[in-house]
Amino acid sequence: GESVGLHLPTLSVQEGDNSIINCAYSNSASDYFIWYKQESGKGPQFIIDIRSNMDKRQGQRVTVLLNKTVKHLSLQIAATQPGDSAVYFCAENFNSGGSNYKLTFGKGTLLTVNP
Amino acid sequence: NAGVTQTPKFQVLKTGQSMTLQCAQDMNHEYMSWYRQDPGMGLRLIHYSVGAGITDQGEVPNGYNVSRSTTEDFPLRLLSAAPSQTSVYFCASSYPSGSEYFGPGTRLLVL
Repeated sequence: GESVGLHLPTLSVQEGDNSIINCAYSNSASDYFIWYKQESGKGPQFIIDIRSNMDKRQGQRVTVLLNKTVKHLSLQIAATQPGDSAVYFCAENFNSGGSNYKLTFGKGTLLTVNP
Repeated sequence: NAGVTQTPKFQVLKTGQSMTLQCAQDMNHEYMSWYRQDPGMGLRLIHYSVGAGITDQGEVPNGYNVSRSTTEDFPLRLLSAAPSQTSVYFCASSYPSGSEYFGPGTRLLVL
């Protein structure tokens, strides 16, 4: 079946460094991708999204890159701060039309920022 | 806007008991979903709804029922709780093909 997965389950970086979190997806028909941040004891929080007709999108300190050729998604966080420490999930949406809507999540990457 | 709200925050049940997890959103979102989150498993979709009166099964629907009588509310019912249903449950809502907004979660322990 189709799935979304992550290359690295944990990532530890120094404060001020840039972080890159990777995600592989297997459904070539997926047309929408989202990154979520989940802090301990809280629900996932939307960070940034990208549609399949784009290959890069930038937000505040975050950039998402989409490589459809190799079905790879990445989240780049610039100047990582201690407050960025959390679990990061990628998710893909394969909308087969009509009422079919299902968001599939990866298992998550734990980002730890060392002061 | 309150966003997505969930009640209760915590619940302990005995095996065989039934209960309803409440979820409400005030953003007029058409889509609502229920997920469960288990350690090392990420988020798994239980049931979802694309509008009032319409529900569909997700990845792990067994043991759960849902209904969507209004746009705002999407309760999740556990018919006969089992220890395997111990988990953290998240409700989410969104516009069609948009990012989902998650509630704070309900932590359920089934003894």
